[in-house]
Amino acid sequence: DAKTTQPPSMDCAEGRAANLPCNHSTISGNEYVYWYRQIHSQGPQYIIHGLKNNETNEMASLIITEDRKSSTLILPHATLRDTAVYYCIVRVDPRNTPLVFGKGTRLSVIA
Amino acid sequence: KAGVTQTPRYLIKTRGQQVTLSCSPISGHRSVSWYQQTPGQGLQFLFEYFSETQRNKGNFPGRFSGRQFSNSRSEMNVSTLELGDSALYLCASSLAAGGMGTEAFFGQGTRLTVV
Repeated sequence: DAKTTQPPSMDCAEGRAANLPCNHSTISGNEYVYWYRQIHSQGPQYIIHGLKNNETNEMASLIITEDRKSSTLILPHATLRDTAVYYCIVRVDPRNTPLVFGKGTRLSVIA
Repeated sequence: KAGVTQTPRYLIKTRGQQVTLSCSPISGHRSVSWYQQTPGQGLQFLFEYFSETQRNKGNFPGRFSGRQFSNSRSEMNVSTLELGDSALYLCASSLAAGGMGTEAFFGQGTRLTVV
């Protein structure tokens, strides 16, 4: 079973920052937070992951609270192409455990 | 470099038949995972192979099986197809190394319709 809770849907205006929350209150100390997204009719795409520090890459930023019970994925300037289902996944030892997907958040970027 | 390639992209089969789906991972990736996606159940993990060995298995009946070849290419087989097996089947590859490089890269999927 997925160990995360995400809102089922969100809207964001094009050009604005999209902030997608994820609750993982039962996360263990050795579990990572991963984010993937799935654009309609395509396979999921890796976005970013982190353990306890905030992370940033060319796609997004990941902010993890100090107690690690929740995190926020930030798309700094959302475009229409960012419309997708976003999945937050907690995962222990990425080398040996599969990704367990929940229902995710359907983000709609509106012009 | 080339991404994960899944063939065929679309498939229609009759109930009771069997089907084989193929996945070619990114060059150098040794781990291949398979997922089933349906509107009702979402994305569900089927199994993972690493160096020709099944490392993890999801909660699916024995009709679902897979294998991995020495070149890391993988196949999954579904026997005695049921209508409920209609789904998008996704393959993902990863380096399966520790630390960075553990992200999985997904193919476009095979859309299987059972009639």
